[in-house]
Amino acid sequence: NAGVMQNPRHLVRRRGQEARLRCSPMKGHSHVYWYRQLPEEGLKFMVYLQKENIIDESGMPKERFSAEFPKEGPSILRIQQVVRGDSAAYFCASSPGQPNTEAFFGQGTRLTVV
Amino acid sequence: AQSVTQLGSHVSVSEGALVLLRCNYSSSVPPYLFWYVQYPNQGLQLLLKYTTGATLVKGINGFEAEFKKSETSFHLTKPSAHMSDAAEYFCAVIPGYSSASKIIFGSGTRLSIRP
Repeated sequence: NAGVMQNPRHLVRRRGQEARLRCSPMKGHSHVYWYRQLPEEGLKFMVYLQKENIIDESGMPKERFSAEFPKEGPSILRIQQVVRGDSAAYFCASSPGQPNTEAFFGQGTRLTVV
Repeated sequence: AQSVTQLGSHVSVSEGALVLLRCNYSSSVPPYLFWYVQYPNQGLQLLLKYTTGATLVKGINGFEAEFKKSETSFHLTKPSAHMSDAAEYFCAVIPGYSSASKIIFGSGTRLSIRP
């Protein structure tokens, strides 16, 4: 059973470009979380999705950021018009969505905005 | 609302010494509690979890944690530190009544091991 797959592992974008981060959950998992980690800081919740549904997006910036988890295919975190402050590690986690189960994390995508 | 406080952003112990990483939570309902470990440039790996039942939970790599409701704590311990334990450790909480809830993480504690 493959783990949570994130790609790319490293992404470099110039200011103003778009960044697309992909996350394929573990087989059988229907829930996906996205977190952002800045250097020397903890994990900041961004968004919690179920297939075709956003459950909680209270951590998403109001502008430029969006996320989706379609019926088929990976979850996508999209950042439009990136700025230097968007440079961070972005982690995806998945769970089956049942009580008392933990979330499994991917290796992360390290976004660098130049 | 749920929250997690990890006391001490950096803990340093000698190899072979006791490891104690502190975690206090706030939850209006019975919580599910987790400890994750993150090695450099890696994702998070689950160390152990508490959901219901026995309050002393054993995890991987010799770690354990005890859920103390009266103290709202879930401290992580290991009797004897090893050099390979050097990493960042995160405590996390979700409300136990619902599966559809975000996981809240503490700010993390970086553990260093002195030879």
